[in-house]
Amino acid sequence: GAVVSQHPSRVICKSGTSVKIECRSLDFQATTMFWYRQFPKQSLMLMATSNEGSKATYEQGVEKDKFLINHASLTLSTLTVTSAHPEDSSFYICSATPGRRRTEAFFGQGTRLTVV
Amino acid sequence: DAKTTQPNSMESNEEEPVHLPCNHSTISGTDYIHWYRQLPSQGPEYVIHGLTSNVNNRMASLAIAEDRKSSTLILHRATLRDAAVYYCTAWTDKLIFGTGTRLQVFP
Repeated sequence: GAVVSQHPSRVICKSGTSVKIECRSLDFQATTMFWYRQFPKQSLMLMATSNEGSKATYEQGVEKDKFLINHASLTLSTLTVTSAHPEDSSFYICSATPGRRRTEAFFGQGTRLTVV
Repeated sequence: DAKTTQPNSMESNEEEPVHLPCNHSTISGTDYIHWYRQLPSQGPEYVIHGLTSNVNNRMASLAIAEDRKSSTLILHRATLRDAAVYYCTAWTDKLIFGTGTRLQVFP
């Protein structure tokens, strides 16, 4: 099946620094990518939807200036957590799809972010 | 956004069939119904999706009610590796996850 690679799988950073998470579709062109965060024992919470070449659409309550999403190519999207705080510690997951709802979405393996 | 409702947890014995229900009464006519499953500390894995007709693949079957207000994911013979959280979603322009069903499989 199609592969989505997310990097890094784990990262520890200091408060106030920025962290970039990459999401790559390895064998298909991803017209749409989704970014989620997940707290322990909770479901995935959609943060934003990004379409290649367009600005990301953020969900209500998600700060666009804090969580910068770039989807500059059909195979790469990045999420940058700026000025990280301990409460940003979470499991971040990206998803990519070659189409819209007619096709399945493929997920990265997730990034465990710990802010100390 | 269509809201989905699933039981919090279900149990099954190995090699028995499992029927995982999902209610999506606010679904629109063009929303596809998707199912994914997630193991701890991993990203979700695609299981199956459909629009109106029942669907089968190597992993599972999806039975969609005629009025499309509910669907059932069927695992024909549960294995220990099927233990996971199963999410039913109605994909509009966004892929939003509900609370999911935690499936336990006993040997």
